[in-house]
Amino acid sequence: EAGVTQFPSHSVIEKGQTVTLRCDPISGHDNLYWYRRVMGKEIKFLLHFVKESKQDESGMPNNRFLAERTGGTYSTLKVQPAELEDSGVYFCASSHRKGGSTDTQYFGPGTRLTVL
Amino acid sequence: LAKTTQPISMDSYEGQEVNITCSHNNIATNDYITWYQQFPSQGPRFIIQGYKTKVTNEVASLFIPADRKSSTLSLPRVSLSDTAVYYCLVGDGIGNQFYFGTGTSLTVIP
Repeated sequence: EAGVTQFPSHSVIEKGQTVTLRCDPISGHDNLYWYRRVMGKEIKFLLHFVKESKQDESGMPNNRFLAERTGGTYSTLKVQPAELEDSGVYFCASSHRKGGSTDTQYFGPGTRLTVL
Repeated sequence: LAKTTQPISMDSYEGQEVNITCSHNNIATNDYITWYQQFPSQGPRFIIQGYKTKVTNEVASLFIPADRKSSTLSLPRVSLSDTAVYYCLVGDGIGNQFYFGTGTSLTVIP
């Protein structure tokens, strides 16, 4: 069974540009999560999808971040315009069931974003 | 808010048992605790999950006291390949938000 995949693995952009990160969850997993870790900080929850519906996006830093999951399959996270403080590693995870606390989340390798 | 705290780092010799504790004082009644292992440039990898008392699998044990305000990951007889960062993860009790611990960097010494 293929795991969670993320693309690209690394992105370097200039401040003010736009970047779109993609996450492909494990096939059949309805739940998809985005997290990020900025330098020196802990891994922070961003938002949670159940299929195509956003369950909670209170962790999103601001309105420069837009996450979508059209069709309930893969998800994209767009940062527009990017700022220096957006640099970090963005992780995606997926889980099978309802998404409750008993659900095991499986993580992708992450996308390292560097904003210059 | 279910915040979690862990020791920043630990060292251990090969072959020893390692115990890493995570504090989650505000854990929700119905929330589980999950532990992950992370190597550099990789995503967190699931190790073990539990709700109360003790859970054991082929790689680790998880001890959770009755008040569930903390949990301890136990790695038996660690090897050099267990050098990694270990995280605990708890939710908000309804499955919408999740909180990682600060992570414990374990270094196994030959």
